Amino acid sequence: GEQVEQRPPHLSVREGDSAVIICTYTDPNSYYFFWYKQEPGAGLQLLMKVFSSTEINEGQGFTVLLNKKDKQLSLNLTAAHPGDSAVYFCAADTNAYKVIFGKGTHLHVLP
Amino acid sequence: GGIITQTPKFLIGQEGQKLTLKCQQNFNHDTMYWYRQDSGKGLRLIYYSITENDLQKGDLSEGYDASREKKSSFSLTVTSAQKNEMAVFLCASSMRGAHYAEQFFGPGTRLTVL
Repeated sequence: GEQVEQRPPHLSVREGDSAVIICTYTDPNSYYFFWYKQEPGAGLQLLMKVFSSTEINEGQGFTVLLNKKDKQLSLNLTAAHPGDSAVYFCAADTNAYKVIFGKGTHLHVLP
Repeated sequence: GGIITQTPKFLIGQEGQKLTLKCQQNFNHDTMYWYRQDSGKGLRLIYYSITENDLQKGDLSEGYDASREKKSSFSLTVTSAQKNEMAVFLCASSMRGAHYAEQFFGPGTRLTVL
């Protein structure tokens, strides 16, 4: 079945620097991909939903890239600030109704 | 907009005890999910439900039961709590299958077993 590997597990950057998180998936038939952010004591919040038909997606302060050839999905926070400190999860769809989550990346943005 | 409510927020139980976690959503979503979150292991699917009275096992269903008696609620029972078990249980819902729609998450129930 689908597997999703996420790296790095921990990431510390200075305010204003970029932060990159990468997920590698195995199922070539995965079509929908998700990035979630989890702040302490809270559930997951959707950052972006990505379809395999679109390779570059831009949000507020971040860019998501999808490399279908290498089966990689990346989240790039372009100028991180302390409010970006959280755990980030990627997810890829499998069959109907289910997604597989990566193990998460703890991001710390130092002032 | 809508909200997912999970009760209780913190749950402390004794080894061998049967414990129930509750989840309510007012999105009018069809599909609901229960995940277990352990540090360093991401989210693992325990049960999901496509519609009222439907139950589907996830990858981690052993040791758990679930119930979906109403569209808006989904409960999870730990049938026999294990000593030293500590995890966060997250409830989620989506409009249709996760294949098409993002999941909305509740804040979680943190379980500690003494």
